[in-house]
Amino acid sequence: DAGITQSPRHKVTETGTPVTLRCHQTENHRYMYWYRQDPGHGLRLIHYSYGVKDTDKGEVSDGYSVSRSKTEDFLLTLESATSSQTSVYFCAINQGYMSTEAFFGQGTRLTVV
Amino acid sequence: GENVEQHPSTLSVQEGDSAVIKCTYSDSASNYFPWYKQELGKRPQLIIDIRSNVGEKKDQRIAVTLNKTAKHFSLHITETQPEDSAVYFCAATPPFGANDYKLSFGAGTTVTVRA
Repeated sequence: DAGITQSPRHKVTETGTPVTLRCHQTENHRYMYWYRQDPGHGLRLIHYSYGVKDTDKGEVSDGYSVSRSKTEDFLLTLESATSSQTSVYFCAINQGYMSTEAFFGQGTRLTVV
Repeated sequence: GENVEQHPSTLSVQEGDSAVIKCTYSDSASNYFPWYKQELGKRPQLIIDIRSNVGEKKDQRIAVTLNKTAKHFSLHITETQPEDSAVYFCAATPPFGANDYKLSFGAGTTVTVRA
């Protein structure tokens, strides 16, 4: 498996609290992504990064922010969690040129109560 | 941005039969089309991909076809087996190296192979 890990793997939090999910890679890949997976919606892109401190919004970015201060780490923050953000979150990495395959983390199951 | 549509959302086939999943994309600049398989409780993993300069690609029992003019591509699984039961996602990407290089996924197809 590619060197990509997500933490935590499971989290239950209360509405209105801040939450940060971490994605860590050891592959030195340029691109990193955060997706959420919900039944009937597939994998929807939240935010992505194309380099250190270079990030952009995906299709469902409202309520989320990200940061990438170094190549290996991509953080996803829910500033004030809502029940609609209950989901499974996947991080993915991609080299973007020589190798075209995207590798996914194990996923984080987040429940907002 | 890119919009990828995938059909059907669910597919039930008898073991040994074939399964076909179809996807359409909107951005004519997209030039790489991977397919990912996600088994229950696991992460998505690449199973096959195709580039825009190729019309068809095969790997054992799976194949992918691409029609650039119509902007659609399909996954074909022949001689289906129980281990083919999973969720399959198609995706499309812009040219490599762009800042907006991102995978846009279809909504997924849940394939069930009946014994």
